[in-house]
Amino acid sequence: SAVISQKPSRDICQRGTSLTIQCQVDSQVTMMFWYRQQPGQSLTLIATANQGSEATYESGFVIDKFPISRPNLTFSTLTVSNMSPEDSSIYLCSVPAGRPYEQYFGPGTRLTVT
Amino acid sequence: GESVGLHLPTLSVQEGDNSIINCAYSNSASDYFIWYKQESGKGPQFIIDIRSNMDKRQGQRVTVLLNKTVKHLSLQIAATQPGDSAVYFCAENPSVGNMLTFGGGTRLMVKP
Repeated sequence: SAVISQKPSRDICQRGTSLTIQCQVDSQVTMMFWYRQQPGQSLTLIATANQGSEATYESGFVIDKFPISRPNLTFSTLTVSNMSPEDSSIYLCSVPAGRPYEQYFGPGTRLTVT
Repeated sequence: GESVGLHLPTLSVQEGDNSIINCAYSNSASDYFIWYKQESGKGPQFIIDIRSNMDKRQGQRVTVLLNKTVKHLSLQIAATQPGDSAVYFCAENPSVGNMLTFGGGTRLMVKP
């Protein structure tokens, strides 16, 4: 199984600022996924990040708000830009696992925007 | 795949009892389903999966049932233990590729 770490584990930020979340995997993977989990809710896919190409965003998410970098096969960043309290969520990265469609998840980054 | 509400439904069971967690999925074309367990402060972890050509699959203490007629999935946990306390999500693969769409989730609380 892949070991995934995220930094920071949590942060409290002021509205209008931006936060970059890092995701590190202990093995090389082609695809990485970024999810948002709003308080008390399920996971919603933000985007899929492939190394060497632009991220593919899901409906309702745009690159200007959630820019993603994927500089190599073990690392990705998600930036939450111009934050508002509605961006308070847990942000999770994941990678494909061995079973079809299964994913390994990182521990998440808990973001609170005040 | 969008969340279904602001508050997760909660299932409270006595330690040692069996638990049944239900999920309604959205896409009749989905061919693969997974149950995930999310403990507090952690990312979701795989529990068990089932393909659309099956209606039942058993693991260790867990069983997943699939009813394609009504697009319903359930997770049964036998002899529930305090360590089973977590939020459980079903997920489906509704199309080609490695995407997953997550259901709303259920919080399981096990009373000692």
